[in-house]
Amino acid sequence: EPEVTQTPSHQVTQMGQEVILRCVPISNHLYFYWYRQILGQKVEFLVSFYNNEISEKSEIFDDQFSVERPDGSNFTLKIRSTKLEDSAMYFCASWQNTGELFFGEGSRLTVL
Amino acid sequence: AQKVTQAQTEISVVEKEDVTLDCVYETRDTTYYLFWYKQPPSGELVFLIRRNSFDEQNEISGRYSWNFQKSTSSFNFTITASQVVDSAVYFCALSEARGYSTLTFGKGTMLLVSP
Repeated sequence: EPEVTQTPSHQVTQMGQEVILRCVPISNHLYFYWYRQILGQKVEFLVSFYNNEISEKSEIFDDQFSVERPDGSNFTLKIRSTKLEDSAMYFCASWQNTGELFFGEGSRLTVL
Repeated sequence: AQKVTQAQTEISVVEKEDVTLDCVYETRDTTYYLFWYKQPPSGELVFLIRRNSFDEQNEISGRYSWNFQKSTSSFNFTITASQVVDSAVYFCALSEARGYSTLTFGKGTMLLVSP
């Protein structure tokens, strides 16, 4: 069964440090997403990416966030200067047009 | 704006009981998709179902069934004969029916099934 893979599974960082979360979407998918889930809360949309550009982003996705697909396979989320409130589970997802949005297993980010 | 409400924060049942998780949604779109995801303690999001707003037929998949009522904007999920492995947080979600539409999630319902 196809799957979305994410690395790292857990990252601990100091406030103010840059973090890059990596995702390998399903190979023939064209739409990619990042979602965030603060502990105990609902899953929130951050950004969608299609045709090598951002197609939609939420209010959460401010200037400290960026996404890119540097090599045609990886899809990364960068947080330039992490804050305590960035601590969350970050989910990557990809979609083809078949209806099911495939989520990765998530990357847990802890900012100290 | 879209909104999904899962009024039940936590439900506790004993194994073999039936349980229904409620989901009420708001949207101005005439066509949309509704989803249910399961999040076990390990944290991943497991897709359970997607329903098109045009299709109001109820669906059954093993012990799972879904009741879509467009008139009341509800998409409820029933687990029959619950099992301990069903213990998880269950999220209802909504998206517009367009090419790369994003999902709006409810806050989730934590289901605890005890032996």
